[in-house]
Amino acid sequence: GAVVSQHPSRVICKSGTSVKIECRSLDFQATTMFWYRQFPKQSLMLMATSNEGSKATYEQGVEKDKFLINHASLTLSTLTVTSAHPEDSSFYICSARVASGGARSYNEQFFGPGTRLTVL
Amino acid sequence: ILNVEQSPQSLHVQEGDSTNFTCSFPSSNFYALHWYRWETAKSPEALFVMTLNGDEKKKGRISATLNTKEGYSYLYIKGSQPEDSATYLCAFQWTNAGKSTFGDGTTLTVKP
Repeated sequence: GAVVSQHPSRVICKSGTSVKIECRSLDFQATTMFWYRQFPKQSLMLMATSNEGSKATYEQGVEKDKFLINHASLTLSTLTVTSAHPEDSSFYICSARVASGGARSYNEQFFGPGTRLTVL
Repeated sequence: ILNVEQSPQSLHVQEGDSTNFTCSFPSSNFYALHWYRWETAKSPEALFVMTLNGDEKKKGRISATLNTKEGYSYLYIKGSQPEDSATYLCAFQWTNAGKSTFGDGTTLTVKP
């Protein structure tokens, strides 16, 4: 159990296009999902917290109009990189936090496998 | 800026060796400390969530300890196997909403 899927796993796009990345919790409900970005040889950097039914909260320095997050259900959050440019090329990974009151520990987060975005 | 440091950055050991790595984190605003194992092309796998000073957790040959007062956690692997080869990440959770700051990871390579 506790599987999180992410789609697509890899995407190459032209500069100026928008790319949508989906994060799904497959066997549990997640009121909160997190989006991270990883640059080469660096650690995972938290971009934003996605809460079901409400607006995402973004970390300092992350442009909310550039990285649109939608958390429409308890099992799906999407990250859309709008008007992508080469500097947006990176590894994006999501994690899902179990809903409180469930059988699993409240603090546990489960990660997707990540999406490698390359903008030409 | 929350500073979470892991050492060493990489480690090469022989099969059967025991090894340990360190995660250092701020000693204030502590909520939880997470350890993950991340194999190439897979999702990071949660190993432990530790919340109390003095916590010790064990899963098979892997164990971890936590000292929140001095801001460090150790991860131990007893009798390393090639399948233990992965990057081990620690994450310092500083809010009950789950926000975490990650270290850069320790990459372990176990040679047969």
